Formats: sequence, C-alpha cells, structure tokens
Amino acid sequence: AQSVAQPEDQVNVAEGNPLTVKCTYSVSGNPYLFWYVQYPNRGLQFLLKYITGDNLVKGSYGFEAEFNKSQTSFHLKKPSALVSDSALYFCAVRDRNYGQNFVFGPGTRLSVLP
Amino acid sequence: DTGVSQDPRHKITKRGQNVTFRCDPISEHNRLYWYRQTLGQGPEFLTYFQNEAQLEKSRLLSDRFSAERPKGSFSTLEIQRTEQGDSAMYLCASSSDRGQNHEQYFGPGTRLTVT
Repeated sequence: AQSVAQPEDQVNVAEGNPLTVKCTYSVSGNPYLFWYVQYPNRGLQFLLKYITGDNLVKGSYGFEAEFNKSQTSFHLKKPSALVSDSALYFCAVRDRNYGQNFVFGPGTRLSVLP
Repeated sequence: DTGVSQDPRHKITKRGQNVTFRCDPISEHNRLYWYRQTLGQGPEFLTYFQNEAQLEKSRLLSDRFSAERPKGSFSTLEIQRTEQGDSAMYLCASSSDRGQNHEQYFGPGTRLTVT
C-alpha cells in the first residue's frame, strides 16, 4: 500500500529565510512524486514533480525538491521565503506499477512571517 | 483553455437527498479523477477515468456513489441518499497520458454540506 507522511502540521519561517517542508513516502515499487499548493478558497496548484532522472527538481515560484531514495523522502525547499508563499502544501505519491491511485499527505501549513 | 471547472461550487442538501456534481476537464486531457477532501486532510482518491472507461475505484466509494464520463469529456459524480458524513469538498482533476505529463490539474471543487 502507498502512503505519504508530512510530519509537520505547521512550519513557520521568517521572510527571506530558507524554507523546508518535509515529506516521506512508502510505495512497493518506484514512485512518482509531486508537490501541490493550496491557497485559501482556491484549488490545488501543481508545483513540481519527480518522475525520473536528476534527483533535484525545480518547479514553479522558485521551489525545488530533492528525491532521496534511500531515505524515501521528497522535501520541498526554497532558498528565500516570501510572505506570499504562505499556504497549505501537499505531497503526493503514485506507485508506477499500481495504476492511477494518487495518495496525498495530510498537508503542511506554511506561514511566512514578515 | 480555462482549466478544470466544476459545478456547482457549493451544494447544501438534506440528508437522504440525491446530489450530482459536474466536472469539465482541460479539453485535451484524457484522464479524469475524482477526490474527496475533508477539513485538515489531503485529498482522498475516489475514482479514475481513462477516456470514457472507469478504470479504478477506491474502496472509499460506497455503492451510493456513482461516476460517469459518457463521452470521454465531462464527468458527473452522483451521491444517492446522502448522509452527514458525505459533507466534504469534492475535487475533480485531469491529466494527459502523453510523455512525462503525469501531474494532475485540479478544479476549484464542489463543497457539499449535508444537513
């Protein structure tokens, strides 16, 4: 069975500081990994994905994430946080050999303080 | 292309009534997904269509729930005999099966309140 853990319900960071939002996953095969962001009263927006290749992937709005197979992690990072980055972030996984069943984590609320 | 749209955005219904939601995916996307999201949780997968074929259904999808995508374009999700536990945000997403395009694009959701 697939699962995703986001160990922090809430992450607070000062504007201009680097941010990390953590994600670990469990799949029986090889994963496709995704990050989505949800702003208040808006739908989930795709940020970035890991499919294959380079373990460091870059996405929208200056975000990046590193796939670490040995630690089964896919942490989201940004070198310098903006107040406008404050939102709810979801990590998701799909097992390449297990159909189209995407599993989402519970979400992490990021607050960037001015 | 205006993205994924869902209708209605909000629905309030009484317990025991039937409700139907509509999703219009991005036009060139052949994959369509339905999810349910409750407060403080991530989206939970309900079902998946490839064109008009419903290929996967979650165990969460009880027999009161049915989904269709008759022409491989828009989809409907019907809940019969609604229960208070059905109150949630129902999300639709679409994607393409071409190349490396595995990411899903989500609609704004339909918020269902069962009283």
